[in-house]
Amino acid sequence: GAVVSQHPSRVICKSGTSVKIECRSLDFQATTMFWYRQFPKQSLMLMATSNEGSKATYEQGVEKDKFLINHASLTLSTLTVTSAHPEDSSFYICSAGGGNSGGSSEQFFGPGTRLTVL
Amino acid sequence: GNSVTQMEGPVTLSEEAFLTINCTYTATGYPSLFWYVQYPGEGLQLLLKATKADDKGSNKGFEATYRKETTSFHLEKGSVQVSDSAVYFCALSGSSSNTGKLIFGQGTTLQVKP
Repeated sequence: GAVVSQHPSRVICKSGTSVKIECRSLDFQATTMFWYRQFPKQSLMLMATSNEGSKATYEQGVEKDKFLINHASLTLSTLTVTSAHPEDSSFYICSAGGGNSGGSSEQFFGPGTRLTVL
Repeated sequence: GNSVTQMEGPVTLSEEAFLTINCTYTATGYPSLFWYVQYPGEGLQLLLKATKADDKGSNKGFEATYRKETTSFHLEKGSVQVSDSAVYFCALSGSSSNTGKLIFGQGTTLQVKP
């Protein structure tokens, strides 16, 4: 399957600072990328869907001004957690898809980024 | 709205035991169904999928059949190994929205003991 990378894999930051997480599709062009948040021992919660060259679509309850998403190219999407607070500490996972075909398009997941806000 | 429900874990089995992890869904239209696996410290990997009713997805000895009449997609394996210890997520992608969004179940942790 296709390879998706995330950087960094782990980040620790102080409260009030901003953190940028990169998601790259290494061997294919991803028209759509998804950002998820996973709490310990829980499922993945979709935060937003980003399409290359357009604004991200955020899920209900996700603050778009706090979680800034940019999908500037077909191989790169970034998530910036602005003014991070301890409650933002979580595991953030991105996935990339190559297109839609009746909802059966496969998503390829990155390895995740562990964010800890002190 | 669409949703996925999985059996609660953890599921603890001895090596070579038979595995079933139940998954049921609620969806409009004809969703695609997936099983993803997450090994400790890693991201999700697609294990298998089925895109229409009665399809059987299979991979690495795991199988799941898309049952529209019971809205289920139970994961089975005849003989588990220690290396199968991981968290398993059932998910669906709704064809009606055509956005490719995945809706996940809560995950089931499998622990296989030697």
